[in-house]
Amino acid sequence: GEDVEQSLFLSVREGDSSVINCTYTDSSSTYLYWYKQEPGAGLQLLTYIFSNMDMKQDQRLTVLLNKKDKHLSLRIADTQTGDSAIYFCAETDGSSNTGKLIFGQGTTLQVKP
Amino acid sequence: GAGVSQTPSNKVTEKGKYVELRCDPISGHTALYWYRQSLGQGPEFLIYFQGTGAADDSGLPNDRFFAVRPEGSVSTLKIQRTERGDSAVYLCASSLTRVGANVLTFGAGSRLTVL
Repeated sequence: GEDVEQSLFLSVREGDSSVINCTYTDSSSTYLYWYKQEPGAGLQLLTYIFSNMDMKQDQRLTVLLNKKDKHLSLRIADTQTGDSAIYFCAETDGSSNTGKLIFGQGTTLQVKP
Repeated sequence: GAGVSQTPSNKVTEKGKYVELRCDPISGHTALYWYRQSLGQGPEFLIYFQGTGAADDSGLPNDRFFAVRPEGSVSTLKIQRTERGDSAVYLCASSLTRVGANVLTFGAGSRLTVL
């Protein structure tokens, strides 16, 4: 079945770039997503990328997609302490037409001042 | 409403009791999803509604779990004979359209603790 894998933890210094990586298994996924979850809050959509694209940039966020390797990454430039959160990668379930998302287990980003 | 609203935000119950969790989606959103998030894990899909009907309930773990959306808006997730393993945050999300990217807007969740 579908599976999404992420590394569990990343620590960076304020002002550095952060790169969060994700691998997925469903080659029929049409869109891939990045969500952010702050403590006690729901998931907030950060950005998404269509599977036919290689890269998408949105202000400080850059998404890279390697469809051949089924690898997705999220780069956050000039990381701030407010970026500390859990980041989830998600793929569309390509085997159904429900639009449901399959999530990874999340990467905790710690930003040190 | 402005966002997805979930009530209660916290629920503590005893093993064997019945629990209802409510989700009020964004007005006009026809698609509604329930997810369950255990500690340290990503959200796991439970059930999807398109309008009033449950179009995909493949994620419900067993027949103790049931969800309804009688008028195509508010949804209720019902858990019978709760077990300690049911303790988790239950997330609801809604979306407007599945044309293009399916942008799910999540509520803050209902934290269920079964003692």
